[in-house]
Amino acid sequence: EPEVTQTPSHQVTQMGQEVILRCVPISNHLYFYWYRQILGQKVEFLVSFYNNEISEKSEIFDDQFSVERPDGSNFTLKIRSTKLEDSAMYFCATGTGGQYNEQFFGPGTRLTVL
Amino acid sequence: RKEVEQDPGPFNVPEGATVAFNCTYSNSASQSFFWYRQDCRKEPKLLMSVYSSGNEDGRFTAQLNRASQYISLLIRDSKLSDSATYLCVVNAIPPGAGSYQLTFGKGTKLSVIP
Repeated sequence: EPEVTQTPSHQVTQMGQEVILRCVPISNHLYFYWYRQILGQKVEFLVSFYNNEISEKSEIFDDQFSVERPDGSNFTLKIRSTKLEDSAMYFCATGTGGQYNEQFFGPGTRLTVL
Repeated sequence: RKEVEQDPGPFNVPEGATVAFNCTYSNSASQSFFWYRQDCRKEPKLLMSVYSSGNEDGRFTAQLNRASQYISLLIRDSKLSDSATYLCVVNAIPPGAGSYQLTFGKGTKLSVIP
């Protein structure tokens, strides 16, 4: 069964450093998403990406965040200058979009900002 | 009213019991609905999709009441392996947005006890 993969599984970084989180989507899916989940809280939408551009982004997705699909397979989330409050699980999801919008999640990257 | 509201639990039930989770949502234009399960520190996994009045898959039954903006998940004959957090997820175009997004509830924790 095809699945979404993410690397690294755990990233520890110093405040102010840049991090890049990577995702390999399910091959025939066209819609890609990033979510975050702070420990003990709900899953929160960050950004959706379709046809090589951002479709929607939430208030959390400020100028410190960016996404791209550099080589047609990987889908990346970059945080330019990490803050302590960026510590969370970051999940990539891919799906069908539209009114049905089934999404399948990768295993996540645990980001710890010190 | 919160966008997606669930009873946080925990629900502690004996093996073999039937347990029901409830969820209410605020956006009356929501199009599709999902139940995901999430194990501790893992990704959400799609359990059931609900597009019309309900869906049944083995021991799991989901029901949707659009008039009351209410979704439920029933688990029959609970197994130890059902222990997880169950996330109610709603697909809608949020106010001010141009495309569909998933909105997650905080989840209901289930512990099935031997």
